[in-house]
Amino acid sequence: NAGVTQTPKFQVLKTGQSMTLQCAQDMNHNSMYWYRQDPGMGLRLIYYSASEGTTDKGEVPNGYNVSRLNKREFSLRLESAAPSQTSVYFCASSEWGGRGAYEQYFGPGTRLTVT
Amino acid sequence: QQQVKQSPQSLIVQKGGIPIINCAYENTAFDYFPWYQQFPGKGPALLIAIRPDVSEKKEGRFTISFNKSAKQFSLHIMDSQPGDSATYFCAANYASGGYQKVTFGTGTKLQVIP
Repeated sequence: NAGVTQTPKFQVLKTGQSMTLQCAQDMNHNSMYWYRQDPGMGLRLIYYSASEGTTDKGEVPNGYNVSRLNKREFSLRLESAAPSQTSVYFCASSEWGGRGAYEQYFGPGTRLTVT
Repeated sequence: QQQVKQSPQSLIVQKGGIPIINCAYENTAFDYFPWYQQFPGKGPALLIAIRPDVSEKKEGRFTISFNKSAKQFSLHIMDSQPGDSATYFCAANYASGGYQKVTFGTGTKLQVIP
């Protein structure tokens, strides 16, 4: 049981390049999330997917797109990377509804640098 | 607009000391207040959580104190150990349908000196 896995762990991009961050969970959770973590800013929600087939914008969605490929996988795409997107990106998952919805399980993160 | 304010930004204590991290919130719709612990290079992990109908919760050496009228809550770490050195985030949840909207504080980097 790996929990939440993310690839890659590290990535350096040049301004204007594109890339996709991958996330997968093996806990049979319905809900999945993408956050970015910046110094002094805490964790900010980019997009979330309440269940397979649905996605919604979070607090800071500009410059990002997401795909909920199936119940296990939720990817984050940067179409044209900008230096402001330099950050650590975390994927998380949780159950949908009930007491299990309260706890989010986080992956190990992807450290992205855009030059 | 930051809805959960956390302080201090960093904290250094001696082994055995009792670090205290404080958080304040504004939205009275929040109904669940978790603390997450994050070690370097890892993702955050749930440490302890409290609901607003209780004033205190203890789990091992970790205690949350909750003051509903002041809209404040805090984390106390008893008999702190070097292994507790990590970044701690408070958070506040409220339900939006079956989805939990979570707002995180800005984090406190704790260092426990042997």
